[in-house]
Amino acid sequence: KAGVTQTPRYLIKTRGQQVTLSCSPISGHRSVSWYQQTPGQGLQFLFEYFSETQRNKGNFPGRFSGRQFSNSRSEMNVSTLELGDSALYLCASSPMSLAPNEQFFGPGTRLTVL
Amino acid sequence: QKEVEQDPGPLSVPEGAIVSLNCTYSNSAFQYFMWYRQYSRKGPELLMYTYSSGNKEDGRFTAQVDKSSKYISLFIRDSQPSDSATYLCAIYNNNDMRFGAGTRLTVKP
Repeated sequence: KAGVTQTPRYLIKTRGQQVTLSCSPISGHRSVSWYQQTPGQGLQFLFEYFSETQRNKGNFPGRFSGRQFSNSRSEMNVSTLELGDSALYLCASSPMSLAPNEQFFGPGTRLTVL
Repeated sequence: QKEVEQDPGPLSVPEGAIVSLNCTYSNSAFQYFMWYRQYSRKGPELLMYTYSSGNKEDGRFTAQVDKSSKYISLFIRDSQPSDSATYLCAIYNNNDMRFGAGTRLTVKP
């Protein structure tokens, strides 16, 4: 079974631009979660989508948004990029919930904002 | 104060050493405790997952939870160079998961 895939793997943007990241979950998984990972803050939960609906949301500004398609693929968008948005963005998929033993992470997208 | 505090290291040990990684958490509502391993340029993978206080062993890895002091530990016996990675502790309850910042471990041959 193929794992979680994320594209692109690396991205360089400048301040003020916007960016869209993509995540394809494991086949059959309906829940997709997004996380931001930085050296200082560690791994922080952004939001979770289940059956095309945002089910959970972390404490991030509205510049961070996402969506999920009918095939469970998900996209995350960050508008008006700031230097502090430089991070590794991870997505994780699971069949139904955020239960740790059901959640599998992708390799991440490394975003650098200049 | 962060929900989960973890010493970021880095930690460097010789091959064969016993490694001790630790985290503290502040909210007793969290009932599940995890350790993840993250290799460079990879996503985290679940290593250990436990609910109760006490020890859980899996091969060379032992997870220890003390709910009374809100303290979780991971011990690695006979550490190998392949154990070199970042280790993240995490706590979970009711669709709410919080992670520590991660400790970078290097095991030198």
